[in-house]
Amino acid sequence: AQRVTQPEKLLSVFKGAPVELKCNYSYSGSPELFWYVQYSRQRLQLLLRHISRESIKGFTADLNKGETSFHLKKPFAQEEDSAMYYCASGIHNQGGKLIFGQGTELSVKP
Amino acid sequence: SAVISQKPSRDICQRGTSLTIQCQVDSQVTMMFWYRQQPGQSLTLIATANQGSEATYESGFVIDKFPISRPNLTFSTLTVSNMSPEDSSIYLCSVGPGAYEQYFGPGTRLTVT
Repeated sequence: AQRVTQPEKLLSVFKGAPVELKCNYSYSGSPELFWYVQYSRQRLQLLLRHISRESIKGFTADLNKGETSFHLKKPFAQEEDSAMYYCASGIHNQGGKLIFGQGTELSVKP
Repeated sequence: SAVISQKPSRDICQRGTSLTIQCQVDSQVTMMFWYRQQPGQSLTLIATANQGSEATYESGFVIDKFPISRPNLTFSTLTVSNMSPEDSSIYLCSVGPGAYEQYFGPGTRLTVT
């Protein structure tokens, strides 16, 4: 079965420091990968999708098929980046379903 | 992106009762999904709500416990039946306007006493 793994439950950094939230997936084909973010008292929202190769709020994520990873990065963390981050993968041949990682709570200290 | 609303936003229910959660979307969408997020946990897919046919349930979830309706392309309901404290969770609906990409409602926080 496909899996998405986020090894860190909590990541704490200081403002201005680089951030990398790790995500590994298990799928031998070409996955559809996403990062979702949930700020305090807000709904879960889509942050990035790998096919767009975009940068949102300074975050980028690169698909590394060799390492089966899709880590989320930002060179300089801001306090407003503090949130819960979920990596998700489309489940192959399952009609649009997603499987989510366990989530990483990012805390950016002043 | 679609605008999704859920009712109620939260509820406290007694053991053995049922609660129906509504999910409304501001545009027609093909795919609607229901998730559960237990305290401190990630999202777990309960079922896919199919318009005009029965919902498709994931392993560990059954129709008798979580009946779902999808009368049209903008609305769905999830009922949590015969509730126990273990059903205390946040229940979320999402819509998928495109392949895999999903947008989420604000969630319904359910506490069962």
